[in-house]
Amino acid sequence: EVQLLESGGGLVQPGGSLRLSCAASGLTFSSSVMSWVRQAPGKGLEWVSVISGSGDSAYYADSVKGRFTISRDNSKNTLYLQMNSLRVDDTAVYYCAKDRGSYSVYWGQGTLVTVSS
Amino acid sequence: DIVMTQSPDSLAVSLGERATINCRSSQSVLYSSINKNNLVWYQQKSGQPPKLLIYWASTRESGVPDRFIGSGSGTDFTLTISNLQAEDVAVYYCQQYYSTPRTFGQGTKLEIK
Repeated sequence: EVQLLESGGGLVQPGGSLRLSCAASGLTFSSSVMSWVRQAPGKGLEWVSVISGSGDSAYYADSVKGRFTISRDNSKNTLYLQMNSLRVDDTAVYYCAKDRGSYSVYWGQGTLVTVSS
Repeated sequence: DIVMTQSPDSLAVSLGERATINCRSSQSVLYSSINKNNLVWYQQKSGQPPKLLIYWASTRESGVPDRFIGSGSGTDFTLTISNLQAEDVAVYYCQQYYSTPRTFGQGTKLEIK
């Protein structure tokens, strides 16, 4: 059974940084394309970023490009999202997901990031 | 970016009846070389992560009841839920994976009448 467990969320001030982690189990992590998707409180889903199994390629939404960095440690079966220069509108639940092809199949329960002064 | 627009924003349907949710993309999401539409449907119940229902616009994910039917091609797609059950109350999202960014529709909230 695929399990994805996000952590690292919390309260941070505008302009601050946070690193999210997603621990994966029940899958061959190193060959799994992984994504981050976020959901602002009471709002819809927003795709954030995706990374290849090897970590060689990654793509970002324009809203986070240059501020967020997706990465992975295949030896630890862990996905990361480094978030810098955080803004109030980055407040959301952040989900990690395992992709099949180019769409997400398995999702974690999410971790809440609140950006507020 | 491909813009995904769902309609309606919300709907209320009686138990046992049919619910129809529409999704339109601003450009075709048909991958012509394999004749498949790069579109998925997700169901999100309150307080839960999204759950994959349909991929390639019309292929049901394993374990999804056959009451859920995806259809459409090119730019216009439909999710039909037949014989509506109480557990189908949720927000439904379409998403295109034809190109990055992988954009979502705004969601359709389904309630019981």
